[in-house]
Amino acid sequence: DTAVSQTPKYLVTQMGNDKSIKCEQNLGHDTMYWYKQDSKKFLKIMFSYNNKELIINETVPNRFSPKSPDKAHLNLHINSLELGDSAVYFCASYAGSSTGELFFGEGSRLTVL
Amino acid sequence: AQKVTQAQTEISVVEKEDVTLDCVYETRDTTYYLFWYKQPPSGELVFLIRRNSFDEQNEISGRYSWNFQKSTSSFNFTITASQVVDSAVYFCALSEANRGSTLGRLYFGRGTQLTVWP
Repeated sequence: DTAVSQTPKYLVTQMGNDKSIKCEQNLGHDTMYWYKQDSKKFLKIMFSYNNKELIINETVPNRFSPKSPDKAHLNLHINSLELGDSAVYFCASYAGSSTGELFFGEGSRLTVL
Repeated sequence: AQKVTQAQTEISVVEKEDVTLDCVYETRDTTYYLFWYKQPPSGELVFLIRRNSFDEQNEISGRYSWNFQKSTSSFNFTITASQVVDSAVYFCALSEANRGSTLGRLYFGRGTQLTVWP
């Protein structure tokens, strides 16, 4: 069983469209994250949710809206897609301070044409 | 200011050579965690190690070893007898633990692309 799963793995779309990326974790963790990896491989945090509550919003444009229906899911919705949104988006689930490990999903590669 | 610096953008070695990937970090927190992740060509992020700021013991895991030195704010990663399968981008990351629930917030370095030639 995949611990953190993201769908879709690949997404190609036109500028101006709205799209969503879904993330689910079966680890029972309370805290989930979205990270963005740009074309230069730089990884940066976007959002964090703890038990369905937003705790980090890292100056991400309003076009990006995370939604957490329950603590096992953290979806990312993007409105009015722009070329610069092309990136790999990683969902992650945090194991807590006992191990400190962040479990990453396999990533979702978004290409905006 | 960047919290994690990986000065080596790319490194190329020939199989069986030893290679060290450098990582320098910056933080004012007294409690923090340092990580190394591997990103192979397939794209996933693979957790390698986590070290907390109170544990400066070096660690060895098979061909991998890590040298943590608080005096120089460095957490370097050495691969001994490198293999072609070690080719990947390696990321060093920092988590500042004095901020409670944001512990999973990682500040990543820009990564080092390691290529191991046969």
